[in-house]
Amino acid sequence: EVQLVESGGGLVQPGGSLRLSCAASGFIFSDYYMAWVRQAPGKGLEWVGRIRKKVNSYTTEYAASVKGRFTISRDDSKNSLYLEMNSLITEDTAVYYCTRVRAVYYIDYWGQGTLVTVSS
Amino acid sequence: DIQLTQSPSFLSASVGDRVTITCRASQDISSYLAWCQQKPGKAPNLLIYAASTLQSGVPSRFSGSGSGTEFTLTISSLQPEDFATYYCQQVNSYPHTFGGGTKVEIK
Repeated sequence: EVQLVESGGGLVQPGGSLRLSCAASGFIFSDYYMAWVRQAPGKGLEWVGRIRKKVNSYTTEYAASVKGRFTISRDDSKNSLYLEMNSLITEDTAVYYCTRVRAVYYIDYWGQGTLVTVSS
Repeated sequence: DIQLTQSPSFLSASVGDRVTITCRASQDISSYLAWCQQKPGKAPNLLIYAASTLQSGVPSRFSGSGSGTEFTLTISSLQPEDFATYYCQQVNSYPHTFGGGTKVEIK
């Protein structure tokens, strides 16, 4: 059974940093692209970015709203995905979902999400 | 960025109704479109990918169609468990944007 479990969310002040983790199990993690998606309270889904596999040099893509502030990384030896968030602003307040990307393109599994609140 | 416009944003329907949701892209995305369902307080679930391919385990009352800039998600006979919010997502080019969502509520 595919499982994605996020951790690391919490309350952080504007301008602060936070690192989210996602522990993956039930599939060969290194074979898949992975992505982060977020959802602000009461709002729709927003694609944050994704990371490719080792054979694709772990290259990344980001939404314009987070580019330069957020960094996605992975550790295939630990079956883990990460989201490093810096220079946080109140608009980054959201539930952050770790997701698996199927066949290069489509998100086929989602974690349960972790809430990040940016507030003073 | 490619914009996805879903319509309607809200619809009220009864059990057994046929429901159609539209997703329009601001430019040609071929068939690189997915649909997902989200229930309150839960993570989304993939329903349809490549515009019309049913994800494994998804009931056959769900179907998708379209290509280019116009796509539809159809629920042939609405069931109580289908009351949720539905999102389209394009994966033709970065960023992989989502539509604004369509909330399906009980009439």
